[in-house]
Amino acid sequence: GIQVEQSPPDLILQEGANSTLRCNFSDSVNNLQWFHQNPWGQLINLFYIPSGTKQNGRLSATTVATERYSLLYISSSQTTDSGVYFCAVNTPLVFGKGTRLSVIA
Amino acid sequence: KAGVTQTPRYLIKTRGQQVTLSCSPISGHRSVSWYQQTPGQGLQFLFEYFSETQRNKGNFPGRFSGRQFSNSRSEMNVSTLELGDSALYLCASSLWGGTYEQYFGPGTRLTVT
Repeated sequence: GIQVEQSPPDLILQEGANSTLRCNFSDSVNNLQWFHQNPWGQLINLFYIPSGTKQNGRLSATTVATERYSLLYISSSQTTDSGVYFCAVNTPLVFGKGTRLSVIA
Repeated sequence: KAGVTQTPRYLIKTRGQQVTLSCSPISGHRSVSWYQQTPGQGLQFLFEYFSETQRNKGNFPGRFSGRQFSNSRSEMNVSTLELGDSALYLCASSLWGGTYEQYFGPGTRLTVT
């Protein structure tokens, strides 16, 4: 089956810094979503982005399907951005192992 | 529009017992999927239901089962619980399934002692 790899596994930032999270996948995809898992475990939808670029406030995402990767950009990070970010592809969703982000005040 | 709801939110059971978890999708959504999250295995797909029919099934033993009702609400059941079934169980709904965006509920945290 398809493999999804996320990097880096852990990231520590000072508040106000920018970051880029990467998601590589091993085959073509028909669906790609980015999620933020909050401390209570709920997966919060960030982007549905099988291809192209989208922006939502301080967050933006780009998927280059032909090169099999997606990037999530977080600008001017805040402590509330802390948590685990997951990339998931296809249907049913196949998840990466996530990137654990810690933003320090 | 209300989001996906799951009940109960927390559950403690003993080995050998069975458990039923419930999921109500977003109004108008016809597809419900279930996922298990553990520290060791991460997020894994259990099954998907659409119009009361199981459309897809993950690689889990037969002790894991589910169903969907005519109002799209879904239940999953785990029989003969094992310690390894301790996990966060997440339900997701989407309009039609397939490549449509999935929205997750808050999850049910199951602890098996």
